[in-house]
Amino acid sequence: AQSVAQPEDQVNVAEGNPLTVKCTYSVSGNPYLFWYVQYPNRGLQFLLKYITGDNLVKGSYGFEAEFNKSQTSFHLKKPSALVSDSALYFCAVRDTGGFKTIFGAGTRLFVKA
Amino acid sequence: GAVVSQHPSRVICKSGTSVKIECRSLDFQATTMFWYRQFPKQSLMLMATSNEGSKATYEQGVEKDKFLINHASLTLSTLTVTSAHPEDSSFYICSASAGRGPYNEQFFGPGTRLTVL
Repeated sequence: AQSVAQPEDQVNVAEGNPLTVKCTYSVSGNPYLFWYVQYPNRGLQFLLKYITGDNLVKGSYGFEAEFNKSQTSFHLKKPSALVSDSALYFCAVRDTGGFKTIFGAGTRLFVKA
Repeated sequence: GAVVSQHPSRVICKSGTSVKIECRSLDFQATTMFWYRQFPKQSLMLMATSNEGSKATYEQGVEKDKFLINHASLTLSTLTVTSAHPEDSSFYICSASAGRGPYNEQFFGPGTRLTVL
């Protein structure tokens, strides 16, 4: 069965510093990986996805993620954090049929000014 | 990206009543819609998957008689919480996809917060 793990409940970073939100996955077959962001009382917004191709995926709002097959990781990164990046971030994997999306537990990002 | 709307955004109801939540894809035809439930500070839990014109497929542990899902058209799916109780209070999020497979993106609605008194 597909699953994703987000080992950190919360990540704190100062504005202007680089940020990393960690995600590891477990799949049978090719992984289809996603990152979403959720602001309070809002639905999810798509940030980026990895289906195939380059291991470094660039997404919205300056975010990027690196797919590492050997470490089964798909960490979300941004070179310089903004206070407005503070939100709840979800890593997700789509099952091998490409049908259901399974979400990680979420990581809350706090960016301090 | 494509837009998915939900209505209402917030609803408060008395215990024992039924509540209907609508999910609409505004600018594309959604062959598949998904309903998720999110508890405070927790992840999204998939409740059911519905394909237009057919019965929904419910995840294990989700009561299909309590959470009625209808996907009558390519742009509309509804979730009805029947005989709601306080433990049904949650944030319900729908998503819509134009097709199956990893290349078909899922677009999420803004969510509906249900509070059952």
